[in-house]
Amino acid sequence: EPEVTQTPSHQVTQMGQEVILRCVPISNHLYFYWYRQILGQKVEFLVSFYNNEISEKSEIFDDQFSVERPDGSNFTLKIRSTKLEDSAMYFCASSDPEQGIDTEAFFGQGTRLTVV
Amino acid sequence: EDQVTQSPEALRLQEGESSSLNCSYTVSGLRGLFWYRQDPGKGPEFLFTLYSAGEEKEKERLKATLTKKESFLHITAPKPEDSATYLCAVQAPSGNTPLVFGKGTRLSVIA
Repeated sequence: EPEVTQTPSHQVTQMGQEVILRCVPISNHLYFYWYRQILGQKVEFLVSFYNNEISEKSEIFDDQFSVERPDGSNFTLKIRSTKLEDSAMYFCASSDPEQGIDTEAFFGQGTRLTVV
Repeated sequence: EDQVTQSPEALRLQEGESSSLNCSYTVSGLRGLFWYRQDPGKGPEFLFTLYSAGEEKEKERLKATLTKKESFLHITAPKPEDSATYLCAVQAPSGNTPLVFGKGTRLSVIA
């Protein structure tokens, strides 16, 4: 069964350092997302990406964040200068609403980011 | 602002003891309501999508229903392996608008 894969599963970084979280969405999907979940809190939307550009972003997704689809398979989230409050699980998701009625997003297993 | 409220926050059931989880939502038009299962340290796993009031979907011991203001996830004769956090999310109409999640209901099923 196709799945969204994320690497690394766990990343520890020093405050102020740059991190890149990587995702391989399901191959025939057209919409890509990043969400995050701070421990004990809701899953929150960060950004959506379609047709090689950002289609929507939340207030959380400030200038420290960027996304890229560097090739036909990878989708990355970069945090330029990490803060302690960026510590969270980051989930990549993909969906393909144009394929049919169902529009569900399929999520990866997440990258646990710990900023120290 | 779109909002999703789930209750209860936590639920402890004996194996075989059926119950329901609630998801109340406020959204400016509903494209879909989604139920996900999340195991500790894992990503949300898709369960159901509901699109219109009156719709029902079933999968093994789970049945999801939808009204104009809320959705229920009914669990019939649960087993310990059903223990997880169940997340509800809504999607507003148009394009690929992002999901708005509730906080989830943490379900524990005791053998």
